[in-house]
Amino acid sequence: DAGVIQSPRHEVTEMGQEVTLRCKPISGHNSLFWYRQTMMRGLELLIYFNNNVPIDDSGMPEDRFSAKMPNASFSTLKIQPSEPRDSAVYFCASSPSGVPYNEQFFGPGTRLTVL
Amino acid sequence: AQSVTQLDSQVPVFEEAPVELRCNYSSSVSVYLFWYVQYPNQGLQLLLKYLSGSTLVKGINGFEAEFNKSQTSFHLRKPSVHISDTAEYFCAVILTGGSYIPTFGRGTSLIVHP
Repeated sequence: DAGVIQSPRHEVTEMGQEVTLRCKPISGHNSLFWYRQTMMRGLELLIYFNNNVPIDDSGMPEDRFSAKMPNASFSTLKIQPSEPRDSAVYFCASSPSGVPYNEQFFGPGTRLTVL
Repeated sequence: AQSVTQLDSQVPVFEEAPVELRCNYSSSVSVYLFWYVQYPNQGLQLLLKYLSGSTLVKGINGFEAEFNKSQTSFHLRKPSVHISDTAEYFCAVILTGGSYIPTFGRGTSLIVHP
């Protein structure tokens, strides 16, 4: 398996622009997580999907952030409009469902820079 | 709610020396415990996990961790580190019987010097 795939790997945009990050989880994994990593705040969970349904989005910073999972093999995280404070590395992770102690498999991340 | 504390933000060590990275957690219920490693410009990957049973858990790359319930700790150790172990290490907990959402510590940067 190719592992969790994220695109783009790097994104540089200007404040106010819309940004869309993409994730393809490992085939057969039913749980999907979006994280944000910054030096100041460490690794933060943004949203968690199970069987394509958002279960916990309490970590989504504000209405500018939205996430979708239209099918089991694809998810997007959108920021509109983007702000400089959104600059971070965004990770997508997937996990087999069924038990809570399954490990999470992380993608390589998308490094977002908002100017 | 559970929390995870990694007391050391950075641990410098010389090659072939032993190392211990500390992790303490707080929770009112039992937890599952994990250590993940993040190499530069990569995502996190699992080193080892404790679910139940023996309190000493062995993982990949020669790492091991010991669960201490009375001290609510899960420290990571390696008897002899290599340059290639230079990375960020994250401790994480998941509540047993709870959601599937892990709580991660802030991470410890292990820097191995030649």
